[in-house]
Amino acid sequence: AQSVSQHNHHVILSEAASLELGCNYSYGGTVNLFWYVQYPGQHLQLLLKYFSGDPLVKGIKGFEAEFIKSKFSFNLRKPSVQWSDTAEYFCAVRSGSSASKIIFGSGTRLSIRP
Amino acid sequence: GAVVSQHPSWVICKSGTSVKIECRSLDFQATTMFWYRQFPKQSLMLMATSNEGSKATYEQGVEKDKFLINHASLTLSTLTVTSAHPEDSSFYICSARERGRETQYFGPGTRLLVL
Repeated sequence: AQSVSQHNHHVILSEAASLELGCNYSYGGTVNLFWYVQYPGQHLQLLLKYFSGDPLVKGIKGFEAEFIKSKFSFNLRKPSVQWSDTAEYFCAVRSGSSASKIIFGSGTRLSIRP
Repeated sequence: GAVVSQHPSWVICKSGTSVKIECRSLDFQATTMFWYRQFPKQSLMLMATSNEGSKATYEQGVEKDKFLINHASLTLSTLTVTSAHPEDSSFYICSARERGRETQYFGPGTRLLVL
């Protein structure tokens, strides 16, 4: 069965600091990988996704993620965070079939100090 | 982009009553809809997957007789929490996907509080 691990439960950074949120998954076959963001009081929004091709994926708002197959990882990065990045971030995985369900990680709460 | 709405956005009910939550795709035909629940400070847990015109597929541990899902049209799915109890209080989120498309679009969620 698929599973997703996000090791950081809560991350606190100052503005302009660099960000890296860890995500590891367990599944032996082809996977689709996602990062979603949930701003306070808002619904889930897709930040970026990886299906195939270039393992370095660029998303919205300056976020990027790198798929490292050998490490079963899909870490999210941003070189310089802003106060408005304060949110909950969820990594998610789906087996490589569009008919499959998406499984979410436990989430990482990001707090940015102004 | 595609929009998914949920109604109501929040509901308070007495223990033992049933509550229906609607999920609508506003500008696309959702051949597949998913229902999740999210407890405070926790992740989304998939409850069930429904395909239009078919019975829903429930995840392990989810009682299908308690959480009734109907996906009668390409733009509407409903989740009915039957005989709700306080432990059913949660945030229920639906998402929808169009046939042949990869992306799932999420609704804003419905907060249920059972007293």
